[in-house]
This record gives sequence, structure tokens and C-alpha cells, in this order.
Amino acid sequence: NAGVMQNPRHLVRRRGQEARLRCSPMKGHSHVYWYRQLPEEGLKFMVYLQKENIIDESGMPKERFSAEFPKEGPSILRIQQVVRGDSAAYFCASSPLGKGNTEAFFGQGTRLTVV
Amino acid sequence: AQSVTQLGSHVSVSEGALVLLRCNYSSSVPPYLFWYVQYPNQGLQLLLKYTSAATLVKGINGFEAEFKKSETSFHLTKPSAHMSDAAEYFCAVSDRDTGKLIFGQGTTLQVKP
Repeated sequence: NAGVMQNPRHLVRRRGQEARLRCSPMKGHSHVYWYRQLPEEGLKFMVYLQKENIIDESGMPKERFSAEFPKEGPSILRIQQVVRGDSAAYFCASSPLGKGNTEAFFGQGTRLTVV
Repeated sequence: AQSVTQLGSHVSVSEGALVLLRCNYSSSVPPYLFWYVQYPNQGLQLLLKYTSAATLVKGINGFEAEFKKSETSFHLTKPSAHMSDAAEYFCAVSDRDTGKLIFGQGTTLQVKP
């Protein structure tokens, strides 16, 4: 059973370009979470999705960021018109139940560098 | 609102010495608490979790943590540090309804030979 797969592992974008980060959850998991780890900071929750639905997006910046988890295919975190401050590691986690007492399994992250 | 505070952003121990990483939480409801480890350029791996069963929780790699409600703490310990334990450690509390995690700032553990 493959773990949570994120790609690409490293992504370089110029200011103003778009970044698309992909996350394939573990088999059988329909709950996906995205977290951001800024340099010298801890991990911050961004968004929680269930298949085709955004459940909690309280941690998403109001502009330029969006996320989806379609019926088929991976979850996508999209950042439009990237700025230097978006440089960070973005982690996806998946869970079978989406409940507080259930372990979430993390991917290896996508490290975004904006130049 | 829930929150987690990890005391000490960097902890250094000698190989074979006791490891103690501190975590205090704030929660208006009985918390679910987690410790994760992150090795360089890797994702997070679960060490252990507390979900209101036994207050002393044993995890992987010889780590354990004790939930103390009176102290609102969930400190992580290991009797004898190995070089391979050098990593960053995160304490987290989860939202009971959604499972989203609220992390502490992390503690970098250095193990000296």
C-alpha cells in the first residue's frame, strides 16, 4: 500500500507564475489536509477536503490560493501569481475517517521556491 | 480555540542520555494529542498519540509520552538517546470533529556523540 504521494518534490517558479501541487492520498482515504511549513516556523493548517468538497478552509490565504479534491484524481493545491513569501514546504496528509482520534499520514512534501 | 506550546526550540543531549521534549496544550474539550517526528527533507511520521485511553502512551522507536490533565502537558521522553533520534519533533492537538492538526513550533533535537 503506497503512502501519500506528493509531486513534484521540488518546484521552482518565477514571481507571477502559477504553482500546482499534487497530492494522491493513501488507498482508501477520502480525507485530505494541506499544511504549509514556512522557514523557521512550524506547520500551519491550510485546508481540509473530502472528495469533491471543501470542509474547512480557515487556514487558506484569502487570495491567490485554492484547493480541490475531485472525484477522480489527486488533490490539487493551486497558487496563482506566486510571490517570494509563498516559498515554503507544502505537506499533504490523508486520513481514512477525518476524525480527531484518527492518524493522518503525511506525504514527503513539495518544496516551493519562488525566484 | 486549541493551541500547543513546545518549550525549547532546540534541545541537545548526549548519546545515551534521557530525552525530554516538552509540550503544553490548551483546549476547552478533552484533547487528542499527537507527537510527530520530521527528518530532514522528509514528511512527518507519527510517533504516538493520546486519544483518552491510557495516560501513558508508548510509541515507536522507544518513545513514550504521559498525558497530565492537571498540568495540561504531554511531554515526550526516551530513556536513552540514539544518534538516529536527531530530528525535529512536533506536538499537535487535533480538532475532534475534522481531524485537522494544530501544531506547536517544533523542537529540534541534537544528539551529541
